[in-house]
Amino acid sequence: NAGVTQTPKFRILKIGQSMTLQCTQDMNHNYMYWYRQDPGMGLKLIYYSVGAGITDKGEVPNGYNVSRSTTEDFPLRLELAAPSQTSVYFCASSYLGWGTEAFFGQGTRLTVV
Amino acid sequence: QQQVKQSPQSLIVQKGGISIINCAYENTAFDYFPWYQQFPGKGPALLIAIRPDVSEKKEGRFTISFNKSAKQFSLHIMDSQPGDSATYFCAASLSRSGNTGKLIFGQGTTLQVKP
Repeated sequence: NAGVTQTPKFRILKIGQSMTLQCTQDMNHNYMYWYRQDPGMGLKLIYYSVGAGITDKGEVPNGYNVSRSTTEDFPLRLELAAPSQTSVYFCASSYLGWGTEAFFGQGTRLTVV
Repeated sequence: QQQVKQSPQSLIVQKGGISIINCAYENTAFDYFPWYQQFPGKGPALLIAIRPDVSEKKEGRFTISFNKSAKQFSLHIMDSQPGDSATYFCAASLSRSGNTGKLIFGQGTTLQVKP
């Protein structure tokens, strides 16, 4: 099983550009999440989804958008990239939500210059 | 109230020693406390988890100690090995959030085990 797959692995964006970070999982998990990881800050939740067609904001949603049209895919959209969005982004999924293991992708390292 | 505070930020231990990482939380509604291990260039992976109805959980060389009254929990790595060198994150979650599975992470601890 591939688990959670994120693309691209690395990306450099210019200020004001936009891009979509792709995330797909093959475990038929209903729950999916986007986190960002900054040095010394741990991981912060950006958006999450409890099933296809249902999304909600996490702790740090400003500057991002998501959609969930299928169980497998949960893309994260950055509009008008800013230097503050330089970070490592992780997509995760879990089977039952609370109390169950979250499986993480390998991350996308994004630099905004 | 939604924060989880983790210490130390970094830790160096000799091979065979005990590594101890501590976390503290404020929200007494948290009811699931996992620890995640992350190697460089990889995503975090679940290491061990505990729920507040027990005070300790052990899996191999890894033990979680949980002190509900002090709102603290810690990870102990016995007989630490160089292969344990990684970043460790504690986290907390609450079922009362509508079972979203959202995790609140600590700041992370970078562990280096010297041969």
